[in-house]
Amino acid sequence: QVQLVESGGGLVKPGGSLRLSCAASGFTFSDYYMSWIRQAPGKGLEWVSYISSSGRTIYYADSVKGRFTISRDNAKNSLYLQMNSLRAEDTAVYYCARDARLGDYSDYWGQGTLVTVSS
Amino acid sequence: DIQMTQSPSSLSASVGNRVAITCRASQSITNFLNWYQQKPGKAPKLLIYAASSLQSGVPSRFSGSGAGTEFTLTISSLQPEDFATYYCQQSHSTPRTFGQGTKVEIK
Repeated sequence: QVQLVESGGGLVKPGGSLRLSCAASGFTFSDYYMSWIRQAPGKGLEWVSYISSSGRTIYYADSVKGRFTISRDNAKNSLYLQMNSLRAEDTAVYYCARDARLGDYSDYWGQGTLVTVSS
Repeated sequence: DIQMTQSPSSLSASVGNRVAITCRASQSITNFLNWYQQKPGKAPKLLIYAASSLQSGVPSRFSGSGAGTEFTLTISSLQPEDFATYYCQQSHSTPRTFGQGTKVEIK
């Protein structure tokens, strides 16, 4: 069965950095686009970034462009999100998701990892 | 960026009711529209993709319709487990924007 398990969240000070990981299993990871989506406490969903199966195509939301970097290691079945220059407004639960049909929709989601940016 | 607007923002309904949620895009997205259900403390779950295709394992009481700029998620007979927040998302272009959500509550 498809499983996505995020890790790496926690409390970080404004301006700090954090690296999120997503371990994938139960499917051929290298065949799928992958995404990060976040949800601030009590708020709606916000798409953050996606990466193609090969890693050659990447897009970011304007709110994180230049600060966040998505990457993947197909040999390790893992997705990453390097987050730098963190701000209070980056506080959210971060979900990784598997994207079907070349990124058209997210058909499996992890349970999420909480990132809190606060002094 | 394409803006997605859902209506209503919340609704109260009884078990067995027919419920419809509308999602409007700020420009044509053809049929690149997805619907997700989220329960408190849980990850979102895909219900409908490509405007009207039912995701495997999702009950047939859920259906999606529309094209262009206006889309509808319909629950034909609301069940107790359907009380949740529903989000639309466009995948026509990046950023892959979501609607603000519609909370379906028990009447």
